[in-house]
Amino acid sequence: DAGITQSPRHKVTETGTPVTLRCHQTENHRYMYWYRQDPGHGLRLIHYSYGVKDTDKGEVSDGYSVSRSKTEDFLLTLESATSSQTSVYFCAISESERLEQYFGPGTRLTVT
Amino acid sequence: DQQVKQNSPSLSVQEGRISILNCDYTNSMFDYFLWYKKYPAEGPTFLISISSIKDKNEDGRFTVFLNKSAKHLSLHIVPSQPGDSAVYFCAAWGGGSNYKLTFGKGTLLTVNP
Repeated sequence: DAGITQSPRHKVTETGTPVTLRCHQTENHRYMYWYRQDPGHGLRLIHYSYGVKDTDKGEVSDGYSVSRSKTEDFLLTLESATSSQTSVYFCAISESERLEQYFGPGTRLTVT
Repeated sequence: DQQVKQNSPSLSVQEGRISILNCDYTNSMFDYFLWYKKYPAEGPTFLISISSIKDKNEDGRFTVFLNKSAKHLSLHIVPSQPGDSAVYFCAAWGGGSNYKLTFGKGTLLTVNP
């Protein structure tokens, strides 16, 4: 299994509070991704990174920001959490943009 | 605008029989396709892939078929086992977007003993 960890694994927070999710990899892969999974929607890309300090938006990026200051860490921040951001968040990594992505175990976030 | 479609939300088969999961796509620029399997409370795991230059790729019990003219791919699992029960996602690469996989909504496969 690819070395990917996500923290926290579960979080409950209140509307309006900031939240940061962390993805950590030990594979030294260049590409990192954040997805959310919701019933009826499958997996949707939030943001991705193609190198340290190089990030770009995915299809559902509104309300989210990311940062990547080191190869191994990719942070996802919800500046002011809303109930619509209740979801399961997955981090993924890939060695090359055209190779398969390997996913972390997920973070279940509940915004009350 | 859903570019990767898995029209069957669920599929139930008997152990030992064949499971066929289907996926359709609309973007003719997609040139690489992948299947992922996901168990509850775990992340998706890569299963098998196929390039658009091929029409079949096989790995053990899993075979993916690609019909480019129909913009259709399918995953065959033979023989099906109870441990195959999971959600299966089809994903496509390319379509004019770099670094991005486009996923279908998934099909829940249940293999009954």
